[in-house]
Amino acid sequence: GESVGLHLPTLSVQEGDNSIINCAYSNSASDYFIWYKQESGKGPQFIIDIRSNMDKRQGQRVTVLLNKTVKHLSLQIAATQPGDSAVYFCAEKSPWGGGYQKVTFGTGTKLQVIP
Amino acid sequence: DGGITQSPKYLFRKEGQNVTLSCEQNLNHDAMYWYRQDPGQGLRLIYYSQIVNDFQKGDIAEGYSVSREKKESFPLTVTSAQKNPTAFYLCASSTRGAGRQETQYFGPGTRLLVL
Repeated sequence: GESVGLHLPTLSVQEGDNSIINCAYSNSASDYFIWYKQESGKGPQFIIDIRSNMDKRQGQRVTVLLNKTVKHLSLQIAATQPGDSAVYFCAEKSPWGGGYQKVTFGTGTKLQVIP
Repeated sequence: DGGITQSPKYLFRKEGQNVTLSCEQNLNHDAMYWYRQDPGQGLRLIYYSQIVNDFQKGDIAEGYSVSREKKESFPLTVTSAQKNPTAFYLCASSTRGAGRQETQYFGPGTRLLVL
């Protein structure tokens, strides 16, 4: 597989437990946030998104929490499964000029699920 | 990967050689993007295009060139001027480049290696 997980913080979780992955963002003007999952050797997959006027959004087994005061985003995965093992990274969208919304990606956290 | 294809999966470049990475999408998306991914770093934007026959430089455009002659296609050429081309290259597309909530969807990536 590819080495996209090198030098990344790693979170090890027992199968069936809940996982919490954190992300700090930098731009207070960012108004839209996305979580992606990237398996080894593959392109990132969209998981869930949240607008800046919300503080919580739930999907299937996943919840994203947004704290704009401290510029912090978290992804909670319920009942973690072996198939959840991947690198997870957050992305923030902010105005960049010319009508373009720039997307800035975090470096990611590697989630390892222990069977 | 959902409607975005990249080829080849692996590409080898010799010194002084230009190589072209292919990206095709059948999602009818207006905007397309090229990113570079290196271990331990977030995705970095090389070029983006919000509409056919128009494209803009991203953060690390030096040593790269693109074209957008068709809505479905956004090929990236890595020129001999790019001195450190070894990386995982990701193509993405979205419905509109300027919208706050237009999520970018990614292709499977191309791993470029220098011989």
